[in-house]
Amino acid sequence: AQRVTQPEKLLSVFKGAPVELKCNYSYSGSPELFWYVQYSRQRLQLLLRHISRESIKGFTADLNKGETSFHLKKPFAQEEDSAMYYCAPSYSGAGSYQLTFGKGTKLSVIP
Amino acid sequence: DAGVTQSPTHLIKTRGQQVTLRCSPKSGHDTVSWYQQALGQGPQFIFQYYEEEERQRGNFPDRFSGHQFPNYSSELNVNALLLGDSALYLCASSKPLKGLNTEAFFGQGTRLTVV
Repeated sequence: AQRVTQPEKLLSVFKGAPVELKCNYSYSGSPELFWYVQYSRQRLQLLLRHISRESIKGFTADLNKGETSFHLKKPFAQEEDSAMYYCAPSYSGAGSYQLTFGKGTKLSVIP
Repeated sequence: DAGVTQSPTHLIKTRGQQVTLRCSPKSGHDTVSWYQQALGQGPQFIFQYYEEEERQRGNFPDRFSGHQFPNYSSELNVNALLLGDSALYLCASSKPLKGLNTEAFFGQGTRLTVV
């Protein structure tokens, strides 16, 4: 069974400090990897996907296949980054593209 | 485009009853997935519909069933409700490109409370 581990339930950092949200997955094959974010009172939305290799809102994520990790990073945290972050590998089976979500990390940026 | 819309937003049901939740996908999307999110947990995949057929199913009992209509909208039905079915139910739509997953757009969810 596919498993996603986000070890930190809550992460508090000061504004301007670097942020790293950890994600480890256990998968067979080569999953596609996503980070989704949920800001207060908003719906879940895509933050970034590894295949596009882009930086969104200053966040980047590096896929390490050897360590099966997909950690999310930002060099300088902003208050508006406070939100719930979910790592979500995508398992493609039988033509389906289901997402398997971790339990999430709540990021709190302290002014 | 209103994006993904779900109805109702909140629902209270009694144990043993049946419930139907509805989802309209984002315009242009043909694939609908349903997720259950218990308090403090990440969303858990229930099933996915494409071309009116269930394409993939997560680890949920047969009490959970669904349907997709020709206009791509979808319903999630839960029979014989248990207290443990209380959760936020999320609908997500997408239009996967050949061989690749694409961004899933989520609805605001339906909060189901079973008493």
